[in-house]
Amino acid sequence: AQTVTQSQPEMSVQEAETVTLSCTYDTSENNYYLFWYKQPPSRQMILVIRQEAYKQQNATENRFSVNFQKAAKSFSLKISDSQLGDTAMYFCAFVRVSNTGKLIFGQGTTLQVKP
Amino acid sequence: KAGVTQTPRYLIKTRGQQVTLSCSPISGHRSVSWYQQTPGQGLQFLFEYFSETQRNKGNFPGRFSGRQFSNSRSEMNVSTLELGDSALYLCASSLAGLIGDTQYFGPGTRLTVL
Repeated sequence: AQTVTQSQPEMSVQEAETVTLSCTYDTSENNYYLFWYKQPPSRQMILVIRQEAYKQQNATENRFSVNFQKAAKSFSLKISDSQLGDTAMYFCAFVRVSNTGKLIFGQGTTLQVKP
Repeated sequence: KAGVTQTPRYLIKTRGQQVTLSCSPISGHRSVSWYQQTPGQGLQFLFEYFSETQRNKGNFPGRFSGRQFSNSRSEMNVSTLELGDSALYLCASSLAGLIGDTQYFGPGTRLTVL
């Protein structure tokens, strides 16, 4: 079975600092996508960044970047220059080619950015 | 472009009743997926519809069902409600439900079962 594990239930960071959220996953498939979603207190889930498994280059979106280690099945999210608006729950998610409409989520990491 | 909309936003029901939740995808999107979010179980996949056909199904009892209409709008029905069905129900739409498609989420329907 495919699983996604986020080992940090809660994290905090000072405004303007950098924080890294960890995620590991388990799959026997070779073709899949990984995502980080953000769910602010207003509850609307928003895509932060995504990574295609066959691409070795790590994805980057402005202050957000990932460290994708395929062999280790690790997919961490780095947030640089943290802002108060980054306070949210972050979910790592995985989708495989044989089940394209089904996102498998980790348990989530609650991130608080402190002023 | 309007985002994914879900109605109603909040719902209170009693055990044994049934409920229908609605999801309108982003215009042009043909795939709709449903998820249940609870503090204990996290986010769990319910089912996915594409072109009015259920393409994927999660591990939920038959009391949970859904459908999709020709305009891609989707409904989810839960019959014989149980206390454990209290949750935030999220729907997400994507263009064609392909592996690389991003799923865009709605604000959710908060269901409380008393």
